[in-house]
Amino acid sequence: EDQVTQSPEALRLQEGESSSLNCSYTVSGLRGLFWYRQDPGKGPEFLFTLYSAGEEKEKERLKATLTKKESFLHITAPKPEDSATYLCAVPRTQGGSEKLVFGKGTKLTVNP
Amino acid sequence: NAGVTQTPKFRILKIGQSMTLQCTQDMNHNYMYWYRQDPGMGLKLIYYSVGAGITDKGEVPNGYNVSRSTTEDFPLRLELAAPSQTSVYFCASRTLNTGELFFGEGSRLTVL
Repeated sequence: EDQVTQSPEALRLQEGESSSLNCSYTVSGLRGLFWYRQDPGKGPEFLFTLYSAGEEKEKERLKATLTKKESFLHITAPKPEDSATYLCAVPRTQGGSEKLVFGKGTKLTVNP
Repeated sequence: NAGVTQTPKFRILKIGQSMTLQCTQDMNHNYMYWYRQDPGMGLKLIYYSVGAGITDKGEVPNGYNVSRSTTEDFPLRLELAAPSQTSVYFCASRTLNTGELFFGEGSRLTVL
């Protein structure tokens, strides 16, 4: 069965302390990997889509990378406003339709 | 541009009551989804629709029903509410050509 596993479950950083979040997946024929950010009490908000191993995408202090088995979300010099839960997801085809399977997320807290 | 709008934002139900969560999108998206999110469990797909008049079950459809009479609206019906349906419900939509989901702000349901 296709699975998406995120680690760590929670991460506390000091402002300016860079780190990485991991998303590993077991799915045949990857057709993209998606990263979302979710603030408390809000719906997830799209960040990136990666389609092939070696691909990288950046947005402000975030950089997402993809290998054949996992993706990393690197956070460089984070600020308190980067605190959120970060979700990754992969598409799975079932019944002729494509749906996203989500990991459980990594809750990031950045302390000032 | 409102995006995906969900109502109500909060609701308390008694066991055995029924209710409908409303979802409307103004982006002319073909695909629409209902997810539930429980603490530590990630997003689970309840039902989805690939267009008006077409719906299908996701991972956790028991206790729910949906309809899609228009492109814009995708209501989720809960019949005979049970405590296990206490959760945060998210509606999402996307276009035919991208996997990027646009989420509503969520509906927090408590069944007592």
